[in-house]
Amino acid sequence: QVQLVQSGAELRKPGSSVQVSCKASGGDTFNVYAIAWVRQVPGQGLEWIGGILPNLGAANSAQRFWDRVTITADESTRTGYMELKNLRPEDTAVYYCARGGWQSAFFDPWGQGTLVTVSS
Amino acid sequence: QSVLTQPPSASGTPGQRVTISCSGSSSNIGSNIINWYQCLPGTAPKLLIHSNNQRPAGVPDRFSASKSGTSASLAISGLQSEDEADYYCAAWDDSLNGPLFGGGTKVTVL
Repeated sequence: QVQLVQSGAELRKPGSSVQVSCKASGGDTFNVYAIAWVRQVPGQGLEWIGGILPNLGAANSAQRFWDRVTITADESTRTGYMELKNLRPEDTAVYYCARGGWQSAFFDPWGQGTLVTVSS
Repeated sequence: QSVLTQPPSASGTPGQRVTISCSGSSSNIGSNIINWYQCLPGTAPKLLIHSNNQRPAGVPDRFSASKSGTSASLAISGLQSEDEADYYCAAWDDSLNGPLFGGGTKVTVL
């Protein structure tokens, strides 16, 4: 059974960047599934940021994040990464990684979430 | 515009049946699989239903789902206090070229 463990909470200033990691442990082959990133702004719903297929390095992201997000994966360490640049206070959210299918809304399991707070 | 519309809230007493709707369009529910997620307070989302109506192992059979055309619904039969959570529908959207989540429905057990 694969488990996804994310990096800890982050506090950043507006205009800076943050990188959140997501390490897979246990379970089957890491790179045959996509790793997706989803966020939840406090009091709001779930929002897909983007995803990556580790074995191909193919990445996709939601249009609203295209110019600010970089999604990568390291097969050797079974770790996915999401970097969000030019942070704004409205980027304050819990960021989740999840294993899923490529071009799919299937996400299972999920990481525990990483709170990113953007404040001056 | 690609949107999945859910009612913001639903409620019921223990033992009752609660139904949550999810309305979309031909670019998402109408042409792709829908999945449902449960968000218990303070925890990460959990896959509740996949492939329109399939329960993963460990999900109680009081949870069921269906899809018809561009709409879908999740039903909770025999509502229990531990079912109090936010529920989200999700489907791939061909126009957005990405997955789309509904706005979420908060289920309250009265």
